[in-house]
Amino acid sequence: AQSVTQPDIHITVSEGASLELRCNYSYGATPYLFWYVQSPGQGLQLLLKYFSGDTLVQGIKGFEAEFKRSQSSFNLRKPSVHWSDAAEYFCAVERNTDKLIFGTGTRLQVFP
Amino acid sequence: DAGVIQSPRHEVTEMGQEVTLRCKPISGHNSLFWYRQTMMRGLELLIYFNNNVPIDDSGMPEDRFSAKMPNASFSTLKIQPSEPRDSAVYFCASSLGVSGANVLTFGAGSRLTVL
Repeated sequence: AQSVTQPDIHITVSEGASLELRCNYSYGATPYLFWYVQSPGQGLQLLLKYFSGDTLVQGIKGFEAEFKRSQSSFNLRKPSVHWSDAAEYFCAVERNTDKLIFGTGTRLQVFP
Repeated sequence: DAGVIQSPRHEVTEMGQEVTLRCKPISGHNSLFWYRQTMMRGLELLIYFNNNVPIDDSGMPEDRFSAKMPNASFSTLKIQPSEPRDSAVYFCASSLGVSGANVLTFGAGSRLTVL
């Protein structure tokens, strides 16, 4: 069965620092991969997605993610974090089932 | 487009009462998903529909939960009778329903508290 692991439950960074959120998936073939962000009291918003092709994908709000097949990873990165990036981030996978399976999320806290 | 619209945004009810959550998907989207979010279990897929037909309800916790989609623009999730452990945020999401391009658009959620 497909599964998604986000090993970091909570991350704290200073504003302006770089950020990397980890995501690992378990699936026999390359799934479709997504990152969503959830601000407090809101629904989830798509940041970026990977289906095929270039393994480095760009998303909204200055985020990018890199697919590494050898590591079964799809880590999310941002070179300089802004206070408004404080939110919860979810990695998700899907493959030929129409169902998105979400990780448990990583809560990002940003200090000024 | 107004996005995915859910109602009510907040509901507080007493154990044993019936709860109905409502969702209006984005026009033109033919897949609709109901998720439940709790601190303990994260985001769980309860059920999803394609072209108004339930495709997979394996995530529905038990018979107290039921979902319907009578037409392409409306879905309900009903809990009867409700229990305190049903307290959670319930999200509805819709998509074009094509595997591999299944970008979900989420509603703002319905926060349910069962006392």
